[in-house]
Amino acid sequence: DTGVSQNPRHKITKRGQNVTFRCDPISEHNRLYWYRQTLGQGPEFLTYFQNEAQLEKSRLLSDRFSAERPKGSFSTLEIQRTEQGDSAMYLCASSLISTYGYTFGSGTRLTVV
Amino acid sequence: QKEVEQNSGPLSVPEGAIASLNCTYSDRGSQSFFWYRQYSGKSPELIMSIYSNGDKEDGRFTAQLNKASQYVSLLIRDSQPSDSATYLCAVSIAGGGADGLTFGKGTHLIIQP
Repeated sequence: DTGVSQNPRHKITKRGQNVTFRCDPISEHNRLYWYRQTLGQGPEFLTYFQNEAQLEKSRLLSDRFSAERPKGSFSTLEIQRTEQGDSAMYLCASSLISTYGYTFGSGTRLTVV
Repeated sequence: QKEVEQNSGPLSVPEGAIASLNCTYSDRGSQSFFWYRQYSGKSPELIMSIYSNGDKEDGRFTAQLNKASQYVSLLIRDSQPSDSATYLCAVSIAGGGADGLTFGKGTHLIIQP
């Protein structure tokens, strides 16, 4: 499978718990992006990495959110002390620097109860 | 603040007709423009990118860009029921979409058999 892989596909958690999502990009892609999408809205940019460096973070990314890409390959997105407003689809995407547009993974749907 | 506006629809088009989807953006510094298609419950899929004024054609799809009017459109010729989806317009300031994209809320397109 040469696509962008995200795990888990679904996550249900209780408010206040921490959750972590994983994204495995297309192997030759050195840029990796995280987005969040709620029902009826377009994806909202959260952050992106070039190799292992986190180059941009949205103001949407509160201090409860942290993302890492330790070896420039897979990435994790952690949400601490989850709130009901965190319920959304979390999308990962990857691209090459020299190409245009990017490929999204299937997403992780988070439900905070 | 970067904004991308789309009519949420639904836009209903008979099979075989031309579907016309429109998008306006607020940031005059935007350089890269993308159209993504998103089926219900699925992740967005890149279908077109455009960077300079004018038309760009790819199969049944034509993207049109007018930077002076800050307007992007997508035409789908010979519409098929399988084209029924939400179409997301996205813009980026950096060339090639290297930074985060700003998405519109999407237009829900229904192709009537």
